[in-house]
Amino acid sequence: GQNIDQPTEMTATEGAIVQINCTYQTSGFNGLFWYQQHAGEAPTFLSYNVLDGLEEKGRFSSFLSRSKGYSYLLLKELQMKDSASYLCAVTQAMTTDSWGKLQFGAGTQVVVTP
Amino acid sequence: DAEITQSPRHKITETGRQVTLACHQTWNHNNMFWYRQDLGHGLRLIHYSYGVQDTNKGEVSDGYSVSRSNTEDLPLTLESAASSQTSVYFCASSGVRDTQYFGPGTRLTVL
Repeated sequence: GQNIDQPTEMTATEGAIVQINCTYQTSGFNGLFWYQQHAGEAPTFLSYNVLDGLEEKGRFSSFLSRSKGYSYLLLKELQMKDSASYLCAVTQAMTTDSWGKLQFGAGTQVVVTP
Repeated sequence: DAEITQSPRHKITETGRQVTLACHQTWNHNNMFWYRQDLGHGLRLIHYSYGVQDTNKGEVSDGYSVSRSNTEDLPLTLESAASSQTSVYFCASSGVRDTQYFGPGTRLTVL
């Protein structure tokens, strides 16, 4: 099985930077996803990390350390529209039983204040 | 543009009734998934399918069933709805690299 932990809520000011941490314990790890979910809407894909290191996509960056079971999502130059829940999800090593399945954390609610 | 749709978007039903939630995708993805989302639990996998005629149980499958007769559709059936099944239900599909794309969700209330 897998255990995925992320903070419940974080608050930051418009224009600031926020880092959302995600730690995981898994019996077989393949990659880690970050999704964004606005209230009342579907999750939307943000990033996917398989290898160690930092992946940058505009204002959003995601980091992975496989040896430490740790990832973070970095949101820079925060905007009001970034107020949302951010979901960390891991995918297991490809076996017949696990292929394509995601295990989600409970999500981190980010509140951006003026 | 390819998309994934769910219907109905909102449903109110009574305890004991059978309910079917529809999911339709035009991505031509082989993999399809059903999740439920409740406060404090995140997204939990109910059932999933790797292709036509293939169905598998997820971590919270009791009281639910699915069938896959074609690539595009994976309907979710609640055999006898219970109040504990009040939730928001999301359907998702994926192709290569595991990236899942989600439908808009169905809010189900069981009274």
